Amino acid sequence: GQNIDQPTEMTATEGAIVQINCTYQTSGFNGLFWYQQHAGEAPTFLSYNVLDGLEEKGRFSSFLSRSKGYSYLLLKELQMKDSASYLCAVMVSNYQLIWGAGTKLIIKP
Amino acid sequence: EAQVTQNPRYLITVTGKKLTVTCSQNMNHEYMSWYRQDPGLGLRQIYYSMNVEVTDKGDVPEGYKVSRKEKRNFPLILESPSPNQTSLYFCASSPSLWGEQFFGPGTRLTVL
Repeated sequence: GQNIDQPTEMTATEGAIVQINCTYQTSGFNGLFWYQQHAGEAPTFLSYNVLDGLEEKGRFSSFLSRSKGYSYLLLKELQMKDSASYLCAVMVSNYQLIWGAGTKLIIKP
Repeated sequence: EAQVTQNPRYLITVTGKKLTVTCSQNMNHEYMSWYRQDPGLGLRQIYYSMNVEVTDKGDVPEGYKVSRKEKRNFPLILESPSPNQTSLYFCASSPSLWGEQFFGPGTRLTVL
């Protein structure tokens, strides 16, 4: 079967750095996405990785290791507005998207 | 304004009464999807479409139908809704399979 694992909830302090992990076991791989979803809102796109390595975009970076079935999202200089759920999704061989259950990130002052 | 619209935003209905949730995008995107989101389960893909007249089943297609007769519209049809289809539904579109998905605002459906 297809499986994507993320921690259910994480807590971090304003101004700090947090790393949200995502591991996957899927039939085929056509890329991994990270989305942010604030409570009561629709998800918004953060990043897409299809090759191994680190992609940096401002305060957010995403890393992928295809051989390990592993990705992480790194958030630096945390702000209160970063309190949200972070969703990991893998596009599998038939171009279907499989989603993790999401990680709820709580930022404390 | 570039956007994905869904209607209705909220709907309460009864078991067995056919309903349609509309989805429309004005960005000329090829790829469109329907998802349901339930607490603790995350997003699950119901159906997706890579182009006009091309649709494929996602993770949880049972009890749902879709059609893609025009590029901009991708309606979700529940022929005979049941209480286990009570959920938050999102429509999304993207310019390509590997592109950023733009989500509609969501439709909260309750089936009694």
